[in-house]
Amino acid sequence: AQSVSQHNHHVILSEAASLELGCNYSYGGTVNLFWYVQYPGQHLQLLLKYFSGDPLVKGIKGFEAEFIKSKFSFNLRKPSVQWSDTAEYFCAVNAQNSGYSTLTFGKGTMLLVSP
Amino acid sequence: DAGVIQSPRHEVTEMGQEVTLRCKPISGHDYLFWYRQTMMRGLELLIYFNNNVPIDDSGMPEDRFSAKMPNASFSTLKIQPSEPRDSAVYFCASSFGWSEETQYFGPGTRLLVL
Repeated sequence: AQSVSQHNHHVILSEAASLELGCNYSYGGTVNLFWYVQYPGQHLQLLLKYFSGDPLVKGIKGFEAEFIKSKFSFNLRKPSVQWSDTAEYFCAVNAQNSGYSTLTFGKGTMLLVSP
Repeated sequence: DAGVIQSPRHEVTEMGQEVTLRCKPISGHDYLFWYRQTMMRGLELLIYFNNNVPIDDSGMPEDRFSAKMPNASFSTLKIQPSEPRDSAVYFCASSFGWSEETQYFGPGTRLLVL
């Protein structure tokens, strides 16, 4: 079964700092990868996704993620965070053509950006 | 489209009572998912449907939990009887297809069982 591991439960940054949130997955086959964001009091929204092509994926609000197949990783990055990026970030994986048709989520990383 | 609609948004009940959560997926989506989110366990998939048929309910914690999807535009998640440890936020999500497709989440139902 596939699994997703997010390295940090909590991250605290000052505005303008650079962000990198780690995500590793375990599955031997081809995967689709997602980052979702949950702003305080709101529901989950898609930030970006990868399923083929360029391993560097750009999403909304200046976020990007790089799929490194050899490392089973899909880390989320942003060069300069803003206070409004305070939210919980979830990495998720869905295995292609494996019989699995569900999204497996990581436990999430809570990002707090101080002004 | 209005997105995924869930009701109620908040529910407070006493232990032992029946709780029914409702979800209306995005029109045209053929997959519907129920998730539970807690501080301890994060986001867990409970059950999902494809074309109104339950496909995998292995995430349903106990027999006290049941879910139905009588038609393409409506699903319920029922807890009977409810217990304090069921307190969580329950999300419904829908998608058109799977694997590569984005799941769209509803606003969630925040359940508190006293």
